[in-house]
Amino acid sequence: GAVVSQHPSRVICKSGTSVKIECRSLDFQATTMFWYRQFPKQSLMLMATSNEGSKATYEQGVEKDKFLINHASLTLSTLTVTSAHPEDSSFYICSTDTIGGNTIYFGEGSWLTVV
Amino acid sequence: GQSLEQPSEVTAVEGAIVQINCTYQTSGFYGLSWYQQHDGGAPTFLSYNALDGLEETGRFSSFLSRSDSYGYLLLQELQMKDSASYFCAVRDRRSGGYQKVTFGIGTKLQVIP
Repeated sequence: GAVVSQHPSRVICKSGTSVKIECRSLDFQATTMFWYRQFPKQSLMLMATSNEGSKATYEQGVEKDKFLINHASLTLSTLTVTSAHPEDSSFYICSTDTIGGNTIYFGEGSWLTVV
Repeated sequence: GQSLEQPSEVTAVEGAIVQINCTYQTSGFYGLSWYQQHDGGAPTFLSYNALDGLEETGRFSSFLSRSDSYGYLLLQELQMKDSASYFCAVRDRRSGGYQKVTFGIGTKLQVIP
């Protein structure tokens, strides 16, 4: 069964609005979750590392004020795309390491389309 | 920084064997992973190599040579359902002591009858 659950799987929003994507770890506690972005036919680009109870660590070039990450509990991290624009349309995926750290489990991913 | 190279596309015949190579440059290397991603879906974990040598899991095997900064994924007895993108990913140590996983561009494997 799924180890990491992500919701929603697909979302369409109007330009200028905000969208929240949730990532939940099932049956285990995840102190660290990762948020990736993937454009069609491209690789996964790490956006930020979400740490429970502390500020997220953003990768270079990722706007922290635009992509708000909250990791308020050991089983839930959220990514909010604020003031979305069409160029933010992409596949967003969360993941978490296993305890012991050699395997990454991905959520189902969220397709965001900004119109 | 980190960089990985893998072929962008590979085509192979059903029932055959295919090898997807990956070379990497990084510091603080921990291990090399492989992931499979079908169109429209999320990546799924296939294998992880931290030490030199071959790891076998069913029809899939993965190899690592740390001294050569090189690894490969070997798929045997190819099936049509193996058509997907395959990503190699390096886990290494970043500043602050955190581990980071960087993905290659992905190799799109097409299995033909």
